[in-house]
Amino acid sequence: KQEVTQIPAALSVPEGENLVLNCSFTDSAIYNLQWFRQDPGKGLTSLLLIQSSQREQTSGRLNASLDKSSGRSTLYIAASQPGDSATYLCAGTWGTSYDKVIFGPGTSLSVIP
Amino acid sequence: KAGVTQTPRYLIKTRGQQVTLSCSPISGHRSVSWYQQTPGQGLQFLFEYFSETQRNKGNFPGRFSGRQFSNSRSEMNVSTLELGDSALYLCASSVRQGQPQHFGDGTRLSIL
Repeated sequence: KQEVTQIPAALSVPEGENLVLNCSFTDSAIYNLQWFRQDPGKGLTSLLLIQSSQREQTSGRLNASLDKSSGRSTLYIAASQPGDSATYLCAGTWGTSYDKVIFGPGTSLSVIP
Repeated sequence: KAGVTQTPRYLIKTRGQQVTLSCSPISGHRSVSWYQQTPGQGLQFLFEYFSETQRNKGNFPGRFSGRQFSNSRSEMNVSTLELGDSALYLCASSVRQGQPQHFGDGTRLSIL
Protein backbone atom coordinates (compact mmCIF):
# COMPACT_ATOMS: atom_id res chain seq x y z
CA LYS A 1 0.00 0.00 0.00
CA GLN A 2 1.35 3.41 -0.97
CA GLU A 3 1.87 6.02 1.73
CA VAL A 4 2.94 9.65 1.58
CA THR A 5 4.43 11.47 4.55
CA GLN A 6 5.59 15.03 5.13
CA ILE A 7 7.96 16.15 7.85
CA PRO A 8 7.88 18.53 9.64
CA ALA A 9 4.19 19.13 10.24
CA ALA A 10 4.90 22.82 10.83
CA LEU A 11 7.73 25.19 9.99
CA SER A 12 8.38 28.81 10.89
CA VAL A 13 11.05 30.87 9.12
CA PRO A 14 12.02 34.55 8.92
CA GLU A 15 11.21 36.45 5.75
CA GLY A 16 13.88 36.20 3.05
CA GLU A 17 15.12 32.77 4.05
CA ASN A 18 15.40 29.92 1.53
CA LEU A 19 13.64 26.77 2.70
CA VAL A 20 13.00 23.15 1.75
CA LEU A 21 9.84 21.15 2.36
CA ASN A 22 10.10 17.37 2.35
CA CYS A 23 7.80 14.65 1.03
CA SER A 24 8.44 10.90 1.27
CA PHE A 25 6.60 8.03 -0.42
CA THR A 26 6.81 4.27 -0.10
CA ASP A 27 6.41 2.97 -3.67
CA SER A 28 9.01 3.95 -6.25
CA ALA A 29 6.67 3.04 -9.13
CA ILE A 30 5.16 6.49 -8.87
CA TYR A 31 3.37 7.92 -11.91
CA ASN A 32 3.74 11.58 -10.95
CA LEU A 33 4.06 13.80 -7.90
CA GLN A 34 2.33 17.10 -7.38
CA TRP A 35 2.81 19.91 -4.90
CA PHE A 36 -0.18 21.96 -3.78
CA ARG A 37 -0.71 25.02 -1.65
CA GLN A 38 -3.74 25.40 0.61
CA ASP A 39 -4.68 28.64 2.32
CA PRO A 40 -6.92 28.51 5.42
CA GLY A 41 -10.50 27.60 4.54
CA LYS A 42 -9.66 27.32 0.86
CA GLY A 43 -9.18 24.63 -1.73
CA LEU A 44 -5.92 23.40 -3.20
CA THR A 45 -3.86 25.34 -5.71
CA SER A 46 -1.51 23.30 -7.85
CA LEU A 47 2.08 24.56 -7.73
CA LEU A 48 4.20 22.02 -9.61
CA LEU A 49 3.67 18.61 -11.21
CA ILE A 50 6.62 16.28 -11.80
CA GLN A 51 6.16 13.30 -14.08
CA SER A 52 7.97 10.07 -13.22
CA SER A 53 10.37 10.60 -16.13
CA GLN A 54 11.41 14.04 -14.83
CA ARG A 55 13.82 14.96 -12.05
CA GLU A 56 12.62 18.48 -11.32
CA GLN A 57 10.28 21.31 -12.22
CA THR A 58 10.64 25.04 -11.65
CA SER A 59 8.17 27.89 -11.44
CA GLY A 60 9.38 31.29 -10.34
CA ARG A 61 10.81 31.00 -6.82
CA LEU A 62 9.71 27.37 -6.54
CA ASN A 63 11.67 24.29 -7.48
CA ALA A 64 10.47 20.75 -6.95
CA SER A 65 12.59 17.64 -7.30
CA LEU A 66 11.73 13.96 -7.52
CA ASP A 67 13.98 11.02 -6.59
CA LYS A 68 12.06 7.81 -7.16
CA SER A 69 14.82 5.51 -5.96
CA SER A 70 14.94 7.11 -2.54
CA GLY A 71 11.20 7.79 -2.41
CA ARG A 72 11.63 11.50 -1.85
CA SER A 73 10.51 14.81 -3.26
CA THR A 74 11.48 18.27 -2.09
CA LEU A 75 9.95 21.69 -2.67
CA TYR A 76 12.47 24.49 -2.52
CA ILE A 77 11.19 28.02 -1.92
CA ALA A 78 13.66 30.81 -2.52
CA ALA A 79 13.59 34.16 -0.74
CA SER A 80 10.47 33.37 1.27
CA GLN A 81 7.79 36.03 1.74
CA PRO A 82 4.94 36.38 4.27
CA GLY A 83 2.53 35.64 1.40
CA ASP A 84 4.06 32.17 1.16
CA SER A 85 2.48 31.30 4.52
CA ALA A 86 0.12 28.40 3.87
CA THR A 87 -0.09 24.62 4.13
CA TYR A 88 1.84 22.76 1.46
CA LEU A 89 0.71 19.28 0.47
CA CYS A 90 2.37 16.79 -1.80
CA ALA A 91 0.38 14.12 -3.61
CA GLY A 92 1.70 11.01 -5.28
CA THR A 93 -0.15 9.24 -8.07
CA TRP A 94 0.31 5.56 -8.87
CA GLY A 95 -1.89 5.33 -11.95
CA THR A 96 -3.94 7.50 -14.23
CA SER A 97 -7.15 7.40 -12.20
CA TYR A 98 -7.77 9.80 -9.33
CA ASP A 99 -8.43 7.05 -6.80
CA LYS A 100 -4.71 6.31 -7.14
CA VAL A 101 -3.78 9.75 -5.76
CA ILE A 102 -2.43 9.70 -2.20
CA PHE A 103 -2.05 13.02 -0.38
CA GLY A 104 0.47 13.75 2.33
CA PRO A 105 -0.68 15.37 5.59
CA GLY A 106 0.90 18.70 4.68
CA THR A 107 3.46 21.07 6.17
CA SER A 108 2.12 24.31 7.65
CA LEU A 109 4.54 27.10 6.75
CA SER A 110 4.68 30.46 8.52
CA VAL A 111 6.97 33.14 7.12
CA ILE A 112 7.58 35.80 9.77
CA PRO A 113 8.03 39.42 8.57
CA LYS B 1 -12.64 31.62 -17.07
CA ALA B 2 -14.59 30.83 -13.93
CA GLY B 3 -13.06 28.32 -11.54
CA VAL B 4 -14.65 25.41 -9.77
CA THR B 5 -17.64 26.62 -7.75
CA GLN B 6 -18.92 24.80 -4.69
CA THR B 7 -22.12 25.62 -2.84
CA PRO B 8 -22.88 26.17 -0.09
CA ARG B 9 -19.60 27.27 1.51
CA TYR B 10 -20.74 26.42 5.02
CA LEU B 11 -23.36 24.06 6.32
CA ILE B 12 -24.46 23.03 9.80
CA LYS B 13 -26.50 19.87 10.27
CA THR B 14 -27.45 17.55 13.11
CA ARG B 15 -26.86 13.83 13.42
CA GLY B 16 -29.23 11.68 11.38
CA GLN B 17 -29.99 14.35 8.80
CA GLN B 18 -28.93 14.19 5.19
CA VAL B 19 -27.11 16.80 3.11
CA THR B 20 -26.50 17.59 -0.55
CA LEU B 21 -23.45 19.50 -1.75
CA SER B 22 -23.07 20.99 -5.21
CA CYS B 23 -20.10 21.47 -7.52
CA SER B 24 -19.94 23.32 -10.83
CA PRO B 25 -16.75 22.43 -12.72
CA ILE B 26 -14.73 24.63 -15.02
CA SER B 27 -16.41 24.96 -18.38
CA GLY B 28 -15.30 22.12 -20.64
CA HIS B 29 -14.21 19.88 -17.78
CA ARG B 30 -16.02 16.55 -17.80
CA SER B 31 -14.33 14.84 -14.86
CA VAL B 32 -15.43 15.78 -11.35
CA SER B 33 -13.92 14.26 -8.21
CA TRP B 34 -14.89 14.68 -4.58
CA TYR B 35 -12.58 14.58 -1.57
CA GLN B 36 -13.05 14.70 2.18
CA GLN B 37 -10.50 16.58 4.28
CA THR B 38 -10.29 16.18 8.06
CA PRO B 39 -7.51 17.01 10.54
CA GLY B 40 -7.18 13.35 11.51
CA GLN B 41 -7.37 11.57 8.15
CA GLY B 42 -6.19 14.30 5.82
CA LEU B 43 -7.41 14.39 2.24
CA GLN B 44 -9.22 11.27 1.11
CA PHE B 45 -10.72 10.44 -2.28
CA LEU B 46 -14.49 9.89 -2.28
CA PHE B 47 -15.45 9.31 -5.91
CA GLU B 48 -15.03 10.51 -9.47
CA TYR B 49 -17.62 11.11 -12.15
CA PHE B 50 -17.09 11.40 -15.87
CA SER B 51 -19.86 11.85 -18.43
CA GLU B 52 -22.54 11.17 -15.78
CA THR B 53 -20.94 7.84 -14.76
CA GLN B 54 -19.14 7.06 -11.54
CA ARG B 55 -15.73 5.87 -12.58
CA ASN B 56 -13.93 5.36 -9.27
CA LYS B 57 -14.94 5.18 -5.64
CA GLY B 58 -12.89 5.51 -2.49
CA ASN B 59 -13.23 3.56 0.70
CA PHE B 60 -16.31 5.25 2.17
CA PRO B 61 -19.62 3.77 3.34
CA GLY B 62 -22.68 3.70 1.11
CA ARG B 63 -24.09 6.72 2.97
CA PHE B 64 -21.88 8.76 0.66
CA SER B 65 -23.20 8.97 -2.87
CA GLY B 66 -23.04 11.30 -5.80
CA ARG B 67 -24.20 11.99 -9.29
CA GLN B 68 -23.26 14.04 -12.30
CA PHE B 69 -25.59 15.82 -14.66
CA SER B 70 -25.36 16.24 -18.42
CA ASN B 71 -23.83 19.71 -17.98
CA SER B 72 -21.06 18.10 -15.84
CA ARG B 73 -22.30 19.70 -12.63
CA SER B 74 -22.09 17.25 -9.77
CA GLU B 75 -23.75 16.72 -6.43
CA MET B 76 -22.75 14.58 -3.52
CA ASN B 77 -25.16 13.37 -0.88
CA VAL B 78 -24.49 12.13 2.62
CA SER B 79 -27.35 10.41 4.42
CA THR B 80 -27.76 9.66 8.13
CA LEU B 81 -25.07 12.13 9.11
CA GLU B 82 -22.63 11.21 11.86
CA LEU B 83 -20.39 13.46 13.95
CA GLY B 84 -17.38 12.07 12.10
CA ASP B 85 -18.70 13.43 8.81
CA SER B 86 -17.71 16.93 9.89
CA ALA B 87 -15.11 17.94 7.33
CA LEU B 88 -14.17 20.15 4.43
CA TYR B 89 -15.53 18.59 1.25
CA LEU B 90 -13.56 19.52 -1.83
CA CYS B 91 -14.54 19.15 -5.45
CA ALA B 92 -12.01 19.06 -8.28
CA SER B 93 -12.49 19.08 -12.02
CA SER B 94 -10.31 18.19 -14.96
CA VAL B 95 -10.64 17.85 -18.70
CA ARG B 96 -10.27 14.09 -18.42
CA GLN B 97 -8.65 11.45 -16.27
CA GLY B 98 -4.93 11.79 -15.81
CA GLN B 99 -4.97 15.54 -16.36
CA PRO B 100 -4.24 18.09 -13.59
CA GLN B 101 -7.19 18.78 -11.33
CA HIS B 102 -8.50 22.21 -10.36
CA PHE B 103 -10.01 22.47 -6.91
CA GLY B 104 -12.89 24.51 -5.57
CA ASP B 105 -12.79 26.22 -2.17
CA GLY B 106 -14.88 23.50 -0.59
CA THR B 107 -17.94 23.17 1.59
CA ARG B 108 -17.32 23.19 5.33
CA LEU B 109 -19.82 20.74 6.87
CA SER B 110 -20.31 20.76 10.63
CA ILE B 111 -22.40 18.12 12.37
CA LEU B 112 -23.85 18.97 15.78
